[in-house]
Amino acid sequence: EPEVTQTPSHQVTQMGQEVILRCVPISNHLYFYWYRQILGQKVEFLVSFYNNEISEKSEIFDDQFSVERPDGSNFTLKIRSTKLEDSAMYFCASSGGRGQNQPQHFGDGTRLSIL
Amino acid sequence: GESVGLHLPTLSVQEGDNSIINCAYSNSASDYFIWYKQESGKGPQFIIDIRSNMDKRQGQRVTVLLNKTVKHLSLQIAATQPGDSAVYFCAENRPSGGSYIPTFGRGTSLIVHP
Repeated sequence: EPEVTQTPSHQVTQMGQEVILRCVPISNHLYFYWYRQILGQKVEFLVSFYNNEISEKSEIFDDQFSVERPDGSNFTLKIRSTKLEDSAMYFCASSGGRGQNQPQHFGDGTRLSIL
Repeated sequence: GESVGLHLPTLSVQEGDNSIINCAYSNSASDYFIWYKQESGKGPQFIIDIRSNMDKRQGQRVTVLLNKTVKHLSLQIAATQPGDSAVYFCAENRPSGGSYIPTFGRGTSLIVHP
């Protein structure tokens, strides 16, 4: 069964540094998402992406965050100047259709640790 | 305010029993709901979904019930197995400006005792 893959599985970064989290969505999917899950808390929506532009974003997704689909297979989340509170699991997801009536398929996440 | 929440943070059951996990939502405009299972160290895994024009949907060993009157949905797992131990999240697609924002509840940890 096709799956969403994320790399790296664990990223350790110094505060203030830039970090790029990478995702390869399911190949025939058109909608892409990033979520964050702080340890022990719920999964929080960050951003959705379709047709090479952001569809929706939450209040968490401020100017330090950006997303990009640099080629036909990768989908990246960049955090420009990391803060301690950015430490969390970051999940990428993709779906074949736009949100409604389309469940999302999640990767296994990247654990981001900011020191 | 708009929220998706869970009644119980932890549910312990014996293997073979049926499990019921509950979820409340407050946005009456939401019309699509999903249950996800998250095992330790993994991403959320889709279990079952339901649209608001239905009140019940069944899958393999799982049933989702939707009560729009009281804005409540539940996930029933029949003959619970140790492999069902995980955190279960309900999620709604909350309408937003012509699109949808997926909103997750906090999760219920299901512990199955052999």
